[in-house]
Amino acid sequence: DAKTTQPPSMDCAEGRAANLPCNHSTISGNEYVYWYRQIHSQGPQYIIHGLKNNETNEMASLIITEDRKSSTLILPHATLRDTAVYYCIVRSFNTNAGKSTFGDGTTLTVKP
Amino acid sequence: NAGVTQTPKFQVLKTGQSMTLQCAQDMNHEYMSWYRQDPGMGLRLIHYSVGAGITDQGEVPNGYNVSRSTTEDFPLRLLSAAPSQTSVYFCASSSQYMNTEAFFGQGTRLTVV
Repeated sequence: DAKTTQPPSMDCAEGRAANLPCNHSTISGNEYVYWYRQIHSQGPQYIIHGLKNNETNEMASLIITEDRKSSTLILPHATLRDTAVYYCIVRSFNTNAGKSTFGDGTTLTVKP
Repeated sequence: NAGVTQTPKFQVLKTGQSMTLQCAQDMNHEYMSWYRQDPGMGLRLIHYSVGAGITDQGEVPNGYNVSRSTTEDFPLRLLSAAPSQTSVYFCASSSQYMNTEAFFGQGTRLTVV
């Protein structure tokens, strides 16, 4: 699985959009980008994933650059409950989700 | 559905003691895995299983044993606990066929003194 690089920490004002970047310059053609978050030492929770097109669900949006070497997770209206560690993971669809490689992630702090 | 259930939530062991961390899932997932998370770090894969009777090592398997006698259960055994095994342990399960996400338990916080 390709290696990912994320900033260690970010702050965001409540109600504003939180944009969390991830660099995955060695991603290969069959690898997807997955995002999880971990709130207050609970088990990680899946957020969203994508291959090359932008994706949106009820939790977030995922923007993947055209060359697929980086992506951004967007929380459109961050709340205090979005304070968490966010993990960007790259893996092929053939690699089971239970074998995901977690880096150190980005600690997002949403401030009032 | 309870999802993935881990017991106990907290445990303190003395060096050299053994114990088993329990993990059960009720989603009929084929795939189960164990991770450990040290303070300020990401999760590291200890062992995983692709089905009953089949297990394999992950990134950090030393000091841990696993077995998978049923689809539902995947216990993690510490044979002789060491302070370096102080960590939070997470169990996860995922479907072989709907391979989008892994579902995690709430973790077991283990302290070895």
